[in-house]
Amino acid sequence: EADIYQTPRYLVIGTGKKITLECSQTMGHDKMYWYQQDPGMELHLIHYSYGVNSTEKGDLSSESTVSRIRTEHFPLTLESARPSHTSQYLCASSQGHSNTEAFFGQGTRLTVV
Amino acid sequence: AQSVTQLGSHVSVSEGALVLLRCNYSSSVPPYLFWYVQYPNQGLQLLLKYTSAATLVKGINGFEAEFKKSETSFHLTKPSAHMSDAAEYFCAVSARNTGFQKLVFGTGTRLLVSP
Repeated sequence: EADIYQTPRYLVIGTGKKITLECSQTMGHDKMYWYQQDPGMELHLIHYSYGVNSTEKGDLSSESTVSRIRTEHFPLTLESARPSHTSQYLCASSQGHSNTEAFFGQGTRLTVV
Repeated sequence: AQSVTQLGSHVSVSEGALVLLRCNYSSSVPPYLFWYVQYPNQGLQLLLKYTSAATLVKGINGFEAEFKKSETSFHLTKPSAHMSDAAEYFCAVSARNTGFQKLVFGTGTRLLVSP
């Protein structure tokens, strides 16, 4: 069973609020990822990290930002939430190269009203 | 650039029937290939992966997939569907020889299993 946790699971928040989605893993993986998933659509990579103090933007442009101060923690922040940010956000982690398994958290379903 | 096409956003089968979920990929070189399953309100769980060993790959829960380079396909099958197989299935590719797991996903296929 994967040891990667996301909080909160569900979040409804008003426009303009600052939010942080938490992601933690206890597997010691050096690589972590954030994917965005809209209903009926594929997952898109929005951020990833090779390790501590490393962050990169993914294929899908996102107004969110991430940080990686500790190996186990990879939070995602939206400074000013908008309805267009309504989506499901999935965090994942992996170790090694691109042929290894990525472990996913249960996701945070964000609704901005 | 890599891409994945999953034919059929919904597939309906009866319990005990064969499950076939289709996946075709586009890549300049054969990539690594994965099938993930997502149950309602859950994250993704790896079913199986192809990383250039045997072309017929067996995964969890009785699923298997065959890599066919000539057809650029990696279809997922299960001989006999069970009610618990109802879920969303995603095919994904990852480029070889990169230092991290950057997955490109298909749009997913929802499998419906009727009694």
